[in-house]
Amino acid sequence: QQPVQSPQAVILREGEDAVINCSSSKALYSVHWYRQKHGEAPVFLMILLKGGEQKGHEKISASFNEKKQQSSLYLTASQLSYSGTYFCGTEIIPGNKLTFGGGTRVLVKP
Amino acid sequence: KAGVTQTPRYLIKTRGQQVTLSCSPISGHRSVSWYQQTPGQGLQFLFEYFSETQRNKGNFPGRFSGRQFSNSRSEMNVSTLELGDSALYLCASSFTSGGSYEQYFGPGTRLTVT
Repeated sequence: QQPVQSPQAVILREGEDAVINCSSSKALYSVHWYRQKHGEAPVFLMILLKGGEQKGHEKISASFNEKKQQSSLYLTASQLSYSGTYFCGTEIIPGNKLTFGGGTRVLVKP
Repeated sequence: KAGVTQTPRYLIKTRGQQVTLSCSPISGHRSVSWYQQTPGQGLQFLFEYFSETQRNKGNFPGRFSGRQFSNSRSEMNVSTLELGDSALYLCASSFTSGGSYEQYFGPGTRLTVT
């Protein structure tokens, strides 16, 4: 079943913070995060594994709450380059297929 | 290091035809995954190949098939094309070593079915 991302869209001013959530109705083994800019291919940001630690990519970090079956992506001190659509992909069983959320559109304004 | 390449980049086909898309992974990457992206359905997993073996398959009809060659290059084939197959088809190669994982996407093939 497709994970649910929230919010669907967010508008930020440069330097502001934002949190994107990815929730699943099933227990997760891993969560993958991607960013896709308009007209470009997705870029892999990070993977969080069950029992693993919080990860980071530039000033973007993520956490994985196994009990809540949820992952959160934190955009800290956002930059213009952070604009794009963020997707989470979830894996229920190791080595199984990824199921993607509907995406969260992020627009960072000067 | 060269990135993931996909050919062709754009394709226009007619309903009922078949199409073959190609993906060359990053050197050293043995895993190749395919995804379909549409405005309505979003990003959906098609299949994954590792060392010429299909490891996973998404929920797509049998018209969608793929294969991987000994040099890790991969192809996907869609037979009897339908209008709903119009999409951006993305290929990604990945590498896992110890505790690290990396994945890179190709630019995609934009398929239009008329």
